[in-house]
Amino acid sequence: DSGVTQTPKHLITATGQRVTLRCSPRSGDLSVYWYQQSLDQGLQFLIQYYNGEERAKGNILERFSAQQFPDLHSELNLSSLELGDSALYFCASSPRQLANYGYTFGSGTRLTVV
Amino acid sequence: AQSVSQHNHHVILSEAASLELGCNYSYGGTVNLFWYVQYPGQHLQLLLKYFSGDPLVKGIKGFEAEFIKSKFSFNLRKPSVQWSDTAEYFCAVIPISNFGNEKLTFGTGTRLTIIP
Repeated sequence: DSGVTQTPKHLITATGQRVTLRCSPRSGDLSVYWYQQSLDQGLQFLIQYYNGEERAKGNILERFSAQQFPDLHSELNLSSLELGDSALYFCASSPRQLANYGYTFGSGTRLTVV
Repeated sequence: AQSVSQHNHHVILSEAASLELGCNYSYGGTVNLFWYVQYPGQHLQLLLKYFSGDPLVKGIKGFEAEFIKSKFSFNLRKPSVQWSDTAEYFCAVIPISNFGNEKLTFGTGTRLTIIP
Protein backbone atom coordinates (compact mmCIF):
# COMPACT_ATOMS: atom_id res chain seq x y z
CA ASP A 1 0.00 0.00 0.00
CA SER A 2 1.59 3.23 -1.19
CA GLY A 3 -0.59 5.49 0.93
CA VAL A 4 -2.27 7.02 -2.12
CA THR A 5 -5.82 5.70 -2.45
CA GLN A 6 -7.73 5.67 -5.70
CA THR A 7 -11.33 4.63 -6.18
CA PRO A 8 -12.84 2.89 -7.96
CA LYS A 9 -10.27 0.36 -9.17
CA HIS A 10 -12.28 -0.52 -12.24
CA LEU A 11 -14.97 1.34 -14.11
CA ILE A 12 -16.91 0.29 -17.16
CA THR A 13 -19.19 2.83 -18.76
CA ALA A 14 -20.79 3.68 -22.07
CA THR A 15 -19.79 6.33 -24.55
CA GLY A 16 -21.23 9.74 -23.82
CA GLN A 17 -21.36 9.16 -20.08
CA ARG A 18 -19.62 11.02 -17.28
CA VAL A 19 -17.52 9.50 -14.52
CA THR A 20 -15.66 10.74 -11.47
CA LEU A 21 -12.40 9.28 -10.29
CA ARG A 22 -11.29 9.91 -6.75
CA CYS A 23 -7.87 10.17 -5.19
CA SER A 24 -6.75 10.58 -1.59
CA PRO A 25 -3.11 11.62 -1.34
CA ARG A 26 -0.60 10.22 1.07
CA SER A 27 -0.85 11.77 4.51
CA GLY A 28 1.04 15.06 4.60
CA ASP A 29 1.30 15.44 0.83
CA LEU A 30 -0.13 18.66 -0.56
CA SER A 31 0.30 18.10 -4.27
CA VAL A 32 -1.81 15.79 -6.37
CA TYR A 33 -1.05 14.85 -9.96
CA TRP A 34 -3.21 13.02 -12.46
CA TYR A 35 -1.74 10.92 -15.24
CA GLN A 36 -3.35 8.94 -18.02
CA GLN A 37 -1.66 5.74 -19.14
CA SER A 38 -2.68 4.22 -22.43
CA LEU A 39 -0.98 1.68 -24.66
CA ASP A 40 -0.37 4.08 -27.51
CA GLN A 41 0.51 7.24 -25.59
CA GLY A 42 2.33 6.04 -22.51
CA LEU A 43 2.12 8.09 -19.33
CA GLN A 44 0.65 11.49 -20.04
CA PHE A 45 0.50 14.20 -17.42
CA LEU A 46 -2.98 15.68 -17.12
CA ILE A 47 -3.07 18.15 -14.27
CA GLN A 48 -1.56 19.10 -10.93
CA TYR A 49 -3.14 20.59 -7.84
CA TYR A 50 -1.35 21.98 -4.85
CA ASN A 51 -3.22 22.71 -1.65
CA GLY A 52 -6.47 23.20 -3.49
CA GLU A 53 -5.20 25.25 -6.38
CA GLU A 54 -4.45 24.22 -9.92
CA ARG A 55 -0.70 24.55 -10.52
CA ALA A 56 0.04 22.94 -13.86
CA LYS A 57 -1.86 21.62 -16.81
CA GLY A 58 -0.73 19.06 -19.29
CA ASN A 59 -2.48 17.24 -22.09
CA ILE A 60 -5.90 17.39 -20.50
CA LEU A 61 -8.93 17.48 -22.77
CA GLU A 62 -11.59 20.12 -22.31
CA ARG A 63 -14.05 17.32 -21.54
CA PHE A 64 -11.95 16.52 -18.47
CA SER A 65 -11.77 18.57 -15.32
CA ALA A 66 -10.39 18.14 -11.84
CA GLN A 67 -10.42 19.73 -8.45
CA GLN A 68 -8.78 19.36 -5.08
CA PHE A 69 -10.88 19.76 -1.98
CA PRO A 70 -10.00 21.30 1.39
CA ASP A 71 -9.26 17.86 2.81
CA LEU A 72 -6.77 17.50 -0.09
CA HIS A 73 -8.52 14.67 -1.85
CA SER A 74 -8.91 15.18 -5.56
CA GLU A 75 -11.45 14.20 -8.16
CA LEU A 76 -10.99 13.85 -11.88
CA ASN A 77 -14.19 14.28 -13.87
CA LEU A 78 -14.39 12.81 -17.35
CA SER A 79 -17.41 13.67 -19.44
CA SER A 80 -18.81 12.89 -22.89
CA LEU A 81 -16.68 9.79 -22.80
CA GLU A 82 -15.29 8.31 -25.98
CA LEU A 83 -13.84 4.90 -26.70
CA GLY A 84 -10.39 6.45 -26.82
CA ASP A 85 -10.66 7.56 -23.21
CA SER A 86 -10.26 3.96 -22.11
CA ALA A 87 -7.05 3.93 -20.11
CA LEU A 88 -5.49 3.62 -16.70
CA TYR A 89 -5.76 6.83 -14.73
CA PHE A 90 -3.16 7.27 -12.04
CA CYS A 91 -3.07 9.73 -9.23
CA ALA A 92 0.20 10.59 -7.52
CA SER A 93 1.03 12.79 -4.60
CA SER A 94 4.08 14.54 -3.26
CA PRO A 95 5.06 16.96 -0.53
CA ARG A 96 5.53 20.61 -1.45
CA GLN A 97 9.23 20.38 -2.20
CA LEU A 98 9.03 17.94 -5.08
CA ALA A 99 12.70 18.35 -5.86
CA ASN A 100 13.53 16.32 -2.80
CA TYR A 101 10.98 13.59 -3.28
CA GLY A 102 9.62 11.41 -6.01
CA TYR A 103 5.96 10.93 -6.56
CA THR A 104 4.00 8.28 -4.73
CA PHE A 105 1.52 6.66 -7.05
CA GLY A 106 -1.83 5.13 -6.35
CA SER A 107 -2.94 1.82 -7.83
CA GLY A 108 -4.90 3.52 -10.57
CA THR A 109 -8.41 3.36 -11.94
CA ARG A 110 -8.89 1.30 -15.06
CA LEU A 111 -11.55 2.94 -17.17
CA THR A 112 -13.17 1.01 -19.97
CA VAL A 113 -15.53 2.87 -22.27
CA VAL A 114 -17.78 0.62 -24.33
CA ALA B 1 10.07 21.72 -22.28
CA GLN B 2 11.96 18.70 -21.13
CA SER B 3 11.63 15.31 -22.81
CA VAL B 4 12.77 11.80 -22.00
CA SER B 5 13.75 9.08 -24.47
CA GLN B 6 13.87 5.39 -23.76
CA HIS B 7 15.11 3.75 -26.89
CA ASN B 8 14.55 0.14 -25.86
CA HIS B 9 10.84 -0.56 -26.13
CA HIS B 10 10.99 -4.25 -25.32
CA VAL B 11 13.93 -6.16 -23.91
CA ILE B 12 13.97 -9.92 -23.49
CA LEU B 13 16.64 -11.54 -21.35
CA SER B 14 17.34 -14.87 -19.74
CA GLU B 15 17.65 -15.13 -16.00
CA ALA B 16 21.11 -14.21 -14.68
CA ALA B 17 21.84 -12.01 -17.69
CA SER B 18 23.01 -8.47 -17.13
CA LEU B 19 20.67 -5.60 -17.84
CA GLU B 20 21.14 -2.07 -19.06
CA LEU B 21 18.22 0.13 -20.04
CA GLY B 22 18.93 3.42 -21.72
CA CYS B 23 17.46 6.77 -20.78
CA ASN B 24 18.31 10.13 -22.28
CA TYR B 25 16.74 13.44 -21.47
CA SER B 26 16.73 16.85 -23.02
CA TYR B 27 16.77 19.84 -20.74
CA GLY B 28 19.36 22.57 -20.41
CA GLY B 29 19.19 23.09 -16.68
CA THR B 30 19.51 21.06 -13.53
CA VAL B 31 17.29 18.05 -13.18
CA ASN B 32 16.38 15.32 -10.76
CA LEU B 33 16.17 11.87 -12.28
CA PHE B 34 14.10 8.84 -11.40
CA TRP B 35 13.48 5.28 -12.45
CA TYR B 36 10.08 3.77 -11.73
CA VAL B 37 8.99 0.17 -12.15
CA GLN B 38 5.50 -1.07 -12.88
CA TYR B 39 4.92 -4.76 -12.27
CA PRO B 40 2.04 -6.34 -14.20
CA GLY B 41 -1.25 -5.00 -12.93
CA GLN B 42 0.34 -2.78 -10.32
CA HIS B 43 1.07 0.89 -9.79
CA LEU B 44 4.37 2.61 -10.42
CA GLN B 45 6.95 2.20 -7.70
CA LEU B 46 10.11 4.21 -7.24
CA LEU B 47 13.25 2.17 -7.98
CA LEU B 48 15.85 4.84 -7.44
CA LYS B 49 16.49 8.54 -7.78
CA TYR B 50 19.35 10.93 -8.40
CA PHE B 51 19.44 14.44 -7.01
CA SER B 52 23.13 15.29 -6.65
CA GLY B 53 26.46 13.89 -5.52
CA ASP B 54 27.76 10.47 -6.55
CA PRO B 55 26.49 9.90 -10.09
CA LEU B 56 26.18 6.17 -9.40
CA VAL B 57 23.04 5.60 -7.39
CA LYS B 58 21.79 2.37 -5.94
CA GLY B 59 18.15 1.50 -5.62
CA ILE B 60 16.00 -1.32 -4.44
CA LYS B 61 16.20 -4.94 -5.62
CA GLY B 62 19.80 -4.67 -6.77
CA PHE B 63 19.24 -1.97 -9.38
CA GLU B 64 21.60 0.92 -9.92
CA ALA B 65 21.81 3.81 -12.34
CA GLU B 66 24.55 6.10 -13.53
CA PHE B 67 24.05 9.75 -14.31
CA ILE B 68 26.36 11.02 -17.05
CA LYS B 69 25.74 14.73 -17.30
CA SER B 70 27.73 15.22 -20.50
CA LYS B 71 25.59 12.63 -22.24
CA PHE B 72 22.29 13.66 -20.64
CA SER B 73 21.86 10.01 -19.74
CA PHE B 74 20.64 8.05 -16.74
CA ASN B 75 20.92 4.39 -17.63
CA LEU B 76 19.54 1.67 -15.40
CA ARG B 77 21.59 -1.45 -14.71
CA LYS B 78 21.39 -4.73 -12.89
CA PRO B 79 24.19 -7.32 -12.95
CA SER B 80 21.98 -10.38 -12.84
CA VAL B 81 18.26 -10.26 -13.54
CA GLN B 82 15.60 -12.54 -12.09
CA TRP B 83 12.29 -13.68 -13.46
CA SER B 84 10.59 -11.41 -10.92
CA ASP B 85 12.13 -8.39 -12.64
CA THR B 86 9.67 -8.81 -15.49
CA ALA B 87 7.95 -5.44 -15.55
CA GLU B 88 7.80 -2.11 -17.32
CA TYR B 89 10.47 0.43 -16.45
CA PHE B 90 10.03 4.17 -16.75
CA CYS B 91 12.68 6.83 -16.64
CA ALA B 92 11.50 10.26 -15.45
CA VAL B 93 12.93 13.72 -15.20
CA ILE B 94 11.96 16.82 -13.30
CA PRO B 95 13.61 20.21 -13.75
CA ILE B 96 14.68 22.04 -10.67
CA SER B 97 12.90 25.34 -10.31
CA ASN B 98 11.39 27.57 -7.67
CA PHE B 99 8.07 28.03 -9.40
CA GLY B 100 6.26 25.25 -7.62
CA ASN B 101 4.76 23.78 -10.73
CA GLU B 102 7.31 21.09 -11.34
CA LYS B 103 6.07 17.85 -12.76
CA LEU B 104 7.68 14.59 -13.69
CA THR B 105 8.05 13.89 -17.38
CA PHE B 106 8.16 10.21 -18.14
CA GLY B 107 9.74 8.29 -20.95
CA THR B 108 7.60 5.89 -22.95
CA GLY B 109 8.80 2.95 -20.89
CA THR B 110 10.73 -0.24 -21.56
CA ARG B 111 9.02 -3.56 -21.22
CA LEU B 112 11.40 -6.11 -19.71
CA THR B 113 10.64 -9.79 -20.09
CA ILE B 114 12.83 -12.29 -18.26
CA ILE B 115 12.79 -15.85 -19.51
CA PRO B 116 13.32 -18.46 -16.79
